Amino acid sequence: GAGVSQSPSNKVTEKGKDVELRCDPISGHTALYWYRQSLGQGLEFLIYFQGNSAPDKSGLPSDRFSAERTGGSVSTLTIQRTQQEDSAVYLCASSFPYADTQYFGPGTRLTVL
Amino acid sequence: AQSVTQLDSQVPVFEEAPVELRCNYSSSVSVYLFWYVQYPNQGLQLLLKYLSGSTLVESINGFEAEFNKSQTSFHLRKPSVHISDTAEYFCAVGRSGNTPLVFGKGTRLSVIA
Repeated sequence: GAGVSQSPSNKVTEKGKDVELRCDPISGHTALYWYRQSLGQGLEFLIYFQGNSAPDKSGLPSDRFSAERTGGSVSTLTIQRTQQEDSAVYLCASSFPYADTQYFGPGTRLTVL
Repeated sequence: AQSVTQLDSQVPVFEEAPVELRCNYSSSVSVYLFWYVQYPNQGLQLLLKYLSGSTLVESINGFEAEFNKSQTSFHLRKPSVHISDTAEYFCAVGRSGNTPLVFGKGTRLSVIA
């Protein structure tokens, strides 16, 4: 079946612009995660959605970062006023309710000039 | 809080030689342990996981890892590597199902012909 999909695959933006990154989880997966993979920092958790519960935003690095999940499915990660240090690969993962295995999408490579 | 240390950032090894990728974790609670693999230009894929029970877990492509609670380790091993094993390997911990994972910074395995 279809895996986790993310769009765009690559995004180049100028410093100060806003960007939106999209994630389509696997059908039936109620849990959705955003991670960031950057050089020297490895993979860092950003935000986690589980069903209709309030999201766990504890990993968001600043208030310029936000995410929403509409209808319990598609999620959008928004970065406002992008900075060069935001350049990274943003990964989305999803899983079944209370399951241990997360399935990752291919990522969006964000480059802030 | 949990943390994961992957002691080697890069491991070069000749084809058909054995390899061990080291992973140590820190946690005040019981954890689930994972190894994910990222092949060049691809997303993260689950390689194997330890949840409970037998401390030795295996993957379908010949890798194995052993959970050692006293040493808080979950090292990944393969007795004979192939060129196709060239990838980046990430060790991760989670508190339970459906919780964000804490990743190590990754180990780049390069298999040399």
